[in-house]
Amino acid sequence: EIVLTQSPATLSLSPGERATLSCRASQSVNNYLAWYQQKPGQAPRLLIYDASNRATGIPARFSGSGSGTDFTLTISSLEPEDFAVYYCQQRSNWPDTFGQGTRLEIK
Amino acid sequence: QVQLVESGGGVVQPGGSLRLSCAASGFTFSSYGIHWVRQAPGKGLEWVTFIRYDGSNKYYADSVKGRFTISRDNSKNTLYLQMNSLRAEDTAVYYCAKARVAYSNYVGYDYWGQGTLVTVSS
Repeated sequence: EIVLTQSPATLSLSPGERATLSCRASQSVNNYLAWYQQKPGQAPRLLIYDASNRATGIPARFSGSGSGTDFTLTISSLEPEDFAVYYCQQRSNWPDTFGQGTRLEIK
Repeated sequence: QVQLVESGGGVVQPGGSLRLSCAASGFTFSSYGIHWVRQAPGKGLEWVTFIRYDGSNKYYADSVKGRFTISRDNSKNTLYLQMNSLRAEDTAVYYCAKARVAYSNYVGYDYWGQGTLVTVSS
């Protein structure tokens, strides 16, 4: 099973700042990586697929990059609604796996 | 609009069984694979199982293999998860989630239900 390790576990930033979240895979997943946002009491929402493609309706301040084993989700300028938990997920090999999540909190 | 609505959750004793349903609307259900993903209270996301659009292939996490069975009825636009031999560690919110691309399993689940809570406790 491919293990995804996200860092940091918690990121404390202020609105307007830039957020950089990392996801590292235990082996190459090519670019078969997605990012999700989850707010309390809600289902996850797909943000990015294939490492760098924004899903439908996702604002341009969200961007993804990377390939192989190292990936980054960047939020260029944080809005109040962006404070949430973010998960990466791989679909290179079965089983699909998720990272443990990064909590983005207001500083 | 695309909707996925889970039902069937509840409280069950260890060793018991439960069947979850996921009713789909707003898209051509028979063209898309569907996943079940769960989330234990206060924890992260765990992929559970996947079924191809036509039901021809199914995949399971090791943690549920041999105990859970995924199935679908394309005539009813409904997905099922039969859960047997339930354990305390199966306690979680269970989400059904739609594969992003028809007839495939490319990365990304683009629509999720609201989830149904399963509690395994005596």
